[in-house]
This record gives sequence, C-alpha cells and structure tokens, in this order.
Amino acid sequence: AQKITQTQPGMFVQEKEAVTLDCTYDTSDQSYGLFWYKQPSSGEMIFLIYQGSYDEQNATEGRYSLNFQKARKSANLVISASQLGDSAMYFCAMRDHNAGNNRKLIWGLGTSLAVNP
Amino acid sequence: GAVVSQHPSWVICKSGTSVKIECRSLDFQATTMFWYRQFPKQSLMLMATSNEGSKATYEQGVEKDKFLINHASLTLSTLTVTSAHPEDSSFYICSATPVPQGLNTEAFFGQGTRLTVV
Repeated sequence: AQKITQTQPGMFVQEKEAVTLDCTYDTSDQSYGLFWYKQPSSGEMIFLIYQGSYDEQNATEGRYSLNFQKARKSANLVISASQLGDSAMYFCAMRDHNAGNNRKLIWGLGTSLAVNP
Repeated sequence: GAVVSQHPSWVICKSGTSVKIECRSLDFQATTMFWYRQFPKQSLMLMATSNEGSKATYEQGVEKDKFLINHASLTLSTLTVTSAHPEDSSFYICSATPVPQGLNTEAFFGQGTRLTVV
C-alpha cells in the first residue's frame, strides 16, 4: 500500500544553518511523483518542490533541494540558510498511478520546524 | 501560479446549524477537487473527492449526509457541514489540480476555513 513516513515530529535549526527533513515512501508503482509543501501557522499550503521518480537529477528550487535516493525510497528535503520565516509544518506527499484518475495525494504526518534566531 | 480561493476563512456557528464552505479555482478548470480536514498539529485528512457533474467520493468513515459536497461547475465545489456540532470544529481546506492531471501536476490549495461550532 502507498505510504509516506515522516519520522521527525519536530525539528530545531539555528538561523542561517541548513536542515534536512526526512521522508520515506512506499509504493509498488515505478512511476510516481513526490511533493513537499510548507504550512505556516496561517494554515495555507505552499508548494515547495517536486521530484519525479524518473528524474535523474535531484530537484532544486532556490534554498530548497531534494535528496532523492530511489533505492532507499527516500526523498529528504534540505533547506539551506534557514530563515525565521521557515518556521512551519512541512509535509511530504506522493502521487502514483494507484491514485487513480483523480490523482489524489498521499500525505505524511508532517514535521514541525522551528528556526531559532 | 494558479489560484484557489476558499471562503469563508473562518466561521463561528451555533450547534445544530449548517455551514457552507466554497472552493473556487480562479484561473483554471478543475474536474476534481479535494476536501481535507486538519486537526491542530496533525496532517491533512482527506474527507472526499469532489467530481464535477457527479457524486463525490467519500473516504471511509466520513459521513456523507453530514458533509455534503456539490461540484456544480468546473470552478466551484462546496462543502456543507450539516447540523454542525462542536466536534465538527476543525480546519477545513480544499485543493484543486488543473487538467490535465499528470503525476507531476501541483495541487493548489485554498486558504482554508477555520470552523468553530459553539
């Protein structure tokens, strides 16, 4: 069955340092997509980065990069040069062909990141 | 990027009344929209998949008669919480994905609705 696992309920990082948020996934499909979203205390969901299963390069978007290890089924989010505004919940999600035509996402439990000044 | 508007952003209602939440895709068509419920510090819990022109698909354990979903057009889905009770108090958030929906298509979210039933 499809599953997303985020094992870090909470993380702390010092401002300007880098932090890695873990995400492992399980799917029987060879073709799938992995997403990371940020949710600040306001509640909005902000898309950060996407990695496709067939992408040979790790995805990068500004200060966000994805450490994609397909054999280990992990897609860890790396945030470089942390800022106070990075304090939020971070969710890893997956979509594969098992999602059916509706293409629903499977969500992890999330990691709460706190950036210390 | 694409915009999804959700309204209202917060609502307080009396126990026993019904509340309607709207989710609109402003600049794209969405044949499918998703409704989630989220408790504090927890993940998104999918309640139902809203399909334009047909009945919604509810997740196991979600009461269809309590959470009425109507997807009347390609840009609007509504969630009505009927006969609301304090235990229905929660954060509700919708998402939509532009067609065609590939594996890599980003899901766009509304701002969410914080419902408090008193």
